[in-house]
Amino acid sequence: EAQVTQNPRYLITVTGKKLTVTCSQNMNHEYMSWYRQDPGLGLRQIYYSMNVEVTDKGDVPEGYKVSRKEKRNFPLILESPSPNQTSLYFCASMWNFGAYNEQFFGPGTRLTVL
Amino acid sequence: AQSVSQHNHHVILSEAASLELGCNYSYGGTVNLFWYVQYPGQHLQLLLKYFSGDPLVKGIKGFEAEFIKSKFSFNLRKPSVQWSDTAEYFCAVNARNRDDKIIFGKGTRLHILP
Repeated sequence: EAQVTQNPRYLITVTGKKLTVTCSQNMNHEYMSWYRQDPGLGLRQIYYSMNVEVTDKGDVPEGYKVSRKEKRNFPLILESPSPNQTSLYFCASMWNFGAYNEQFFGPGTRLTVL
Repeated sequence: AQSVSQHNHHVILSEAASLELGCNYSYGGTVNLFWYVQYPGQHLQLLLKYFSGDPLVKGIKGFEAEFIKSKFSFNLRKPSVQWSDTAEYFCAVNARNRDDKIIFGKGTRLHILP
């Protein structure tokens, strides 16, 4: 089944404890992206990747890192999480950033930073 | 910078009522337009998309949207809503040939009364 998977789905952590949220897609998509969803703010893009070893900042990259060593994986890293990073995170992928493509979203990761 | 405005933050309707959710964007060039739906506790799913051609786009579950270029709008409509349409709806825009970002609106929370 074609899908985007994220792990973990739920995570409660404490300030400053490094964490990684994994994202994997099995559709051979080139483009992958991370969003955070906050009430009243909609989805805001954190980082995106056009292809392997190519990443770029979205609208709210502060406090996050990503890597794209393989096409299928795009982990989101929080080196020193803070309470303002409590949010719902979605990973998405797309065939490529061409004219006629749509994004497919993962199930989301709900992160709470105490 | 591109932006997307969804005028209604929270809409409450009774079953069988007609629905129209507004979406306006700020980019003057060629755009790809999307409506996504997020049912409670679930990830985003694509409702419909416009890339080119007929400006009246039909999506899943009886939804449609009309692209009006002169008004920079892409309003979502459904003639008769059902209780199962209770969800949050997001409009998204990609400025084709400009950059590699997809901008989301802040979302409209739709609540259908049975």
